[in-house]
Amino acid sequence: ILNVEQSPQSLHVQEGDSTNFTCSFPSSNFYALHWYRWETAKSPEALFVMTLNGDEKKKGRISATLNTKEGYSYLYIKGSQPEDSATYLCARPDQGGKLIFGQGTELSVKP
Amino acid sequence: KAGVTQTPRYLIKTRGQQVTLSCSPISGHRSVSWYQQTPGQGLQFLFEYFSETQRNKGNFPGRFSGRQFSNSRSEMNVSTLELGDSALYLCASSLDPVSYEQYFGPGTRLTVT
Repeated sequence: ILNVEQSPQSLHVQEGDSTNFTCSFPSSNFYALHWYRWETAKSPEALFVMTLNGDEKKKGRISATLNTKEGYSYLYIKGSQPEDSATYLCARPDQGGKLIFGQGTELSVKP
Repeated sequence: KAGVTQTPRYLIKTRGQQVTLSCSPISGHRSVSWYQQTPGQGLQFLFEYFSETQRNKGNFPGRFSGRQFSNSRSEMNVSTLELGDSALYLCASSLDPVSYEQYFGPGTRLTVT
């Protein structure tokens, strides 16, 4: 079982605040780490797929880092906007492609 | 490029009935995964198909089954529906579910009464 844990469970910030979330996972038999954003009434949308220890990826104001040796990934949002409000999910696949998702971090950005 | 489509979008069934859900992946994607989403459980992996072969199965009873056709379209079947099967069922396609992002469809909302 590849338990994927995310914290915090929810986060309420003001527009303009920067924020970050954590995804923790077992460090053994690591293949990749996925981040998805899931807005209400929409489908989950891929943000990043990270495979190498030390990976850093960026998309606009959102960035992510990966530490496979200690089993965690951070997702950062710089200058949060109301449209960033969503649930952010991380997921870890096993070798066969079975994707195990964390429970997600629900972000609410108030104008 | 057209996205992942799922049909139907909404479905109401009675306990004991069976249901078939359909998923059409992005053109060129041979991997299709299915997930169940319930409020308390989050996204739970059901199974993954690649080139018509089931490669992985999640921890669900045998009432949940699926298949994939030669054009990569996939169907999921649930027999003898139970109230607890009420959920959002999402399918996702990808080039490979490990190293590439998954593209999700809009989901099928199943209600069992």
